[in-house]
Amino acid sequence: AQKITQTQPGMFVQEKEAVTLDCTYDTSDPSYGLFWYKQPSSGEMIFLIYQGSYDQQNATEGRYSLNFQKARKSANLVISASQLGDSAMYFCAMRETNNGGATNKLIFGTGTLLAVQP
Amino acid sequence: NAGVTQTPKFQVLKTGQSMTLQCAQDMNHEYMSWYRQDPGMGLRLIHYSVGAGITDQGEVPNGYNVSRSTTEDFPLRLLSAAPSQTSVYFCASSYTGTGTTYEQYFGPGTRLTVT
Repeated sequence: AQKITQTQPGMFVQEKEAVTLDCTYDTSDPSYGLFWYKQPSSGEMIFLIYQGSYDQQNATEGRYSLNFQKARKSANLVISASQLGDSAMYFCAMRETNNGGATNKLIFGTGTLLAVQP
Repeated sequence: NAGVTQTPKFQVLKTGQSMTLQCAQDMNHEYMSWYRQDPGMGLRLIHYSVGAGITDQGEVPNGYNVSRSTTEDFPLRLLSAAPSQTSVYFCASSYTGTGTTYEQYFGPGTRLTVT
């Protein structure tokens, strides 16, 4: 069965420093997609970044980058130059596959609560 | 575009009552889904739909019904509310097909309390 594991319930980081949020996944399918979402205290879910299993390069979106290590089945989110507004819950998710075909269903991890300190 | 909208934002129900959570999107997305979010458990899929007239169960479907009569709307019905259904409910939508990201757009959520 496919699974996403986020082992850090909470993290602290100083403003302007970089932080890495861990995500490991389990799947036997060679084709999959990995997502990171941000959930601020207001509650909405904000899409941050996507990595496909066949993408040759690690995904980047502004201050967000994904450290994708396929052999280790990890897809860690790196936030550079943290800002106070980055304080939020962060979820890693994987696109579920069915008989080798991609679906739109997402499997979520339990999340990491990031607190950025001034 | 309004994106994905959900109503109501907050709701309190008594055990045994029924209600419908509304979800609508104006992006012409084929795929729509409902998740519930509980503390320490992330988001779990309740039901989903790949187009009008087609629905299927997710991970935690018991106690919920859905229908999809139009592309835009995907209501979630609680048949007989139970305290275990106290949660935050998110509706999401996306394109299907061969898109590279399948990015899902989420609504603002409905916070439901069952007493």
